[in-house]
Amino acid sequence: QQQVKQSPQSLIVQKGGISIINCAYENTAFDYFPWYQQFPGKGPALLIAIRPDVSEKKEGRFTISFNKSAKQFSLHIMDSQPGDSATYFCAAALPNKLVFGAGTILRVKS
Amino acid sequence: NAGVTQTPKFRILKIGQSMTLQCTQDMNHNYMYWYRQDPGMGLKLIYYSVGAGITDKGEVPNGYNVSRSTTEDFPLRLELAAPSQTSVYFCATQDTPRSNQPQHFGDGTRLSIL
Repeated sequence: QQQVKQSPQSLIVQKGGISIINCAYENTAFDYFPWYQQFPGKGPALLIAIRPDVSEKKEGRFTISFNKSAKQFSLHIMDSQPGDSATYFCAAALPNKLVFGAGTILRVKS
Repeated sequence: NAGVTQTPKFRILKIGQSMTLQCTQDMNHNYMYWYRQDPGMGLKLIYYSVGAGITDKGEVPNGYNVSRSTTEDFPLRLELAAPSQTSVYFCATQDTPRSNQPQHFGDGTRLSIL
């Protein structure tokens, strides 16, 4: 099964709050799990990524938590800022192939 | 260094018309991809190429064709436009096919078919 399920579809967070986006996958052959950020009128851009042998990766205010046994991973945005307002896609990768989740539209209210 | 350039940015087509979406890159990447993005559906792979002269189908290839005569260019052709092809189209490149290599996206072509 090549699907990646992402939730929620949209999210509104107050400035300074924590944004959490969740993803789940079925295919255990996926070997890399990136998150892409997309601003209106732009293409997606890599934000942060994790290997399946790591349980957590942190880059600044962005953290990926990875649960291999549950086949789930999540993005946490700490101290969310209005500039973080964007669409976020989780993805699961194989060589030559990226399977994207449906996307989460995040709005951070100031 | 422009990265991945897509033209046009916007286009309105009538049903049955044809057009070519252009994608060019200056990163010398062998791997190139075409995706379509529909609201609430994420990005779906249409076609991809592993190098000049080599292309292959992705998840949703019907109604589209591609060619890859040079490393830089990877055009996507719609032969008989249908309303179901209304979407935002993104071209992406990748340095190597390894899973941990990021894909680099252009800013997209927004296509409406009426």
